[in-house]
Amino acid sequence: DGGITQSPKYLFRKEGQNVTLSCEQNLNHDAMYWYRQDPGQGLRLIYYSQIVNDFQKGDIAEGYSVSREKKESFPLTVTSAQKNPTAFYLCASSPDIYTEAFFGQGTRLTVV
Amino acid sequence: QKEVEQNSGPLSVPEGAIASLNCTYSDRGSQSFFWYRQYSGKSPELIMFIYSNGDKEDGRFTAQLNKASQYVSLLIRDSQPSDSATYLCAVTNSNYQLIWGAGTKLIIKP
Repeated sequence: DGGITQSPKYLFRKEGQNVTLSCEQNLNHDAMYWYRQDPGQGLRLIYYSQIVNDFQKGDIAEGYSVSREKKESFPLTVTSAQKNPTAFYLCASSPDIYTEAFFGQGTRLTVV
Repeated sequence: QKEVEQNSGPLSVPEGAIASLNCTYSDRGSQSFFWYRQYSGKSPELIMFIYSNGDKEDGRFTAQLNKASQYVSLLIRDSQPSDSATYLCAVTNSNYQLIWGAGTKLIIKP
């Protein structure tokens, strides 16, 4: 089945730790995105990538890092510099930046 | 002014009635317009997209776009309790960035 897979579904982080969220797609999409969603809020763009080995900062990139070494994969690292990382993280992909995006099931990150 | 604005709701509609959801945007150069549905705790799923002025129908859903007035709406006919969700409007602006509204919470009352 084609789709976008995020893992893990739930993740707990201790203060000062870096954690990496996985996002894999087999839709052959060029563009991939990471969003953060806080309760009752809309989606805020963290990073996006239009092609392999290239990515751009979104509106709230501070404290996050990404890589795009393969077309299928776009992992997100939440670093210790991100002071309030508890949120719902959504990965999405689209054929290109002009068309609709499709989402993975999300990762819920909690700082403990 | 936010780039994409939606009434946060909740919008309460009786079962079987028409639910009308509205979205306004600020960039006149916006090209593409999308409606997503998001159930609580789940990821957004695409319902419809529209690129041209006018109406676009898909089953019980109709998207309406008015570029002159800079608004896009979603009508849901014969509303069902399963339509209860948050509806997100997204717009591709003139810089080809996808900008999201904060969403409207819709409640369908049996």
